[in-house]
Amino acid sequence: EVQLLESGGGLVQPGGSLRLSCAASGFTFSNYAMSWVRQAPGKGLEWVSGISGSGGSTYYADSVRGRFTISRDNFKNTLYLQMESLRAEDTAAYYCAKAIIAVGGPKYFQHWGQGTLVTVSS
Amino acid sequence: IVMTQTPLSLSVTPGQPASFSCKSSQSLLHSDGKTYLYWYLQKPGQSPQLLIYEVSSRFSGVPDRFSGSGSGTDFTLKISRVEAEDVGVYYCMQGIHLPLTFGGGTKVEIK
Repeated sequence: EVQLLESGGGLVQPGGSLRLSCAASGFTFSNYAMSWVRQAPGKGLEWVSGISGSGGSTYYADSVRGRFTISRDNFKNTLYLQMESLRAEDTAAYYCAKAIIAVGGPKYFQHWGQGTLVTVSS
Repeated sequence: IVMTQTPLSLSVTPGQPASFSCKSSQSLLHSDGKTYLYWYLQKPGQSPQLLIYEVSSRFSGVPDRFSGSGSGTDFTLKISRVEAEDVGVYYCMQGIHLPLTFGGGTKVEIK
């Protein structure tokens, strides 16, 4: 059974930093791309970032490019999202997702974690 | 790519069918002949779950009362007989170009 467990969320001041983690199990982690998707309170879904299985390719939404960094440790089966220069509009539940991100092919999310809440407020 | 879903909400009697629409601002037909349109359901208090991939293929474990159809820019998700466990928000998503984008969602409630 695929399991994705996010951690690292919390309250941070505007301009601050936070690192999210996602521990994966139940599948061969290095064989799959991974992604982060967020959902502001009471709002819809927004794709944030993605990374290939090897970690060699990374992708970002314009809203976070230059502020967020996605990475992975295939030995620890863990996905990360380093978030810098946080803004109030980054307040959201952040979900990690087991993904298919094929260059020149389909891109979608097969399984999702339960999410971790990030609140940016003074 | 902008994804637009209608209606915003739907109230359905158990056992009755339900149908909702998703339109994309660009064709989701890839040069490989496949169409990269996906449907997700987010039940209350839960994370989203994949229902349908590539327009009409049900993901593992998804009941056959769910069906997807459409082509190009116009897509439909149908529930043949709504059950109480089907409540939540249904999102469509395009998977052809980055950034991946979702529709605003259709909220389904039970009468």
